[in-house]
Amino acid sequence: AQSVTQPDIHITVSEGASLELRCNYSYGATPYLFWYVQSPGQGLQLLLKYFSGDTLVQGIKGFEAEFKRSQSSFNLRKPSVHWSDAAEYFCAVGGIEVSGGYNKLIFGAGTRLAVHP
Amino acid sequence: DVKVTQSSRYLVKRTGEKVFLECVQDMDHENMFWYRQDPGLGLRLIYFSYDVKMKEKGDIPEGYSVSREKKERFSLILESASTNQTSMYLCASSLSEREGQYFGPGTRLLVL
Repeated sequence: AQSVTQPDIHITVSEGASLELRCNYSYGATPYLFWYVQSPGQGLQLLLKYFSGDTLVQGIKGFEAEFKRSQSSFNLRKPSVHWSDAAEYFCAVGGIEVSGGYNKLIFGAGTRLAVHP
Repeated sequence: DVKVTQSSRYLVKRTGEKVFLECVQDMDHENMFWYRQDPGLGLRLIYFSYDVKMKEKGDIPEGYSVSREKKERFSLILESASTNQTSMYLCASSLSEREGQYFGPGTRLLVL
């Protein structure tokens, strides 16, 4: 079955440090790939997306992600983390599973990011 | 910017009550979704709709129904609320699969 794996449940970084959140998926072809961020008690906000073209994509809030086909990965990065980046981050994959004519979005379990001052 | 709004941020209901959760999007999106989010279980799709008056079951439709009478509005209905439906409910809309889904702020429902 298709799946999305975020290996890290919790990550803690110091403010100003670099960040990389990992995401791996299992699927033969290139799916649509997304990263979302969720602040406590809020909905999910779309950070960035990839479906074709340049494998390094830029998103909002200074985030970027790189699609690596050989590793089936779509890791999220930020060169310098701010305290306001503390949140939960979800990787999601689409274009895989057909249901009623629409491919569902499959979410990873999330990575909770804490930022130390 | 896409705006998805949900009628309530917090809701407290009694077991057996009928509960309506409303979701409105302002971007003329064809597709709308209802998820619930629970600790340790992630996001689970309840129902989705790809057109007015069309609906499809998601992964956990039991105990829920939906209504989409207008393109911009997608309602989730709990016919007879139960305590195991206490959860965070998230609505989303989408123009196309590759554009991703845009989420509302969520409704935290407590069923007593």
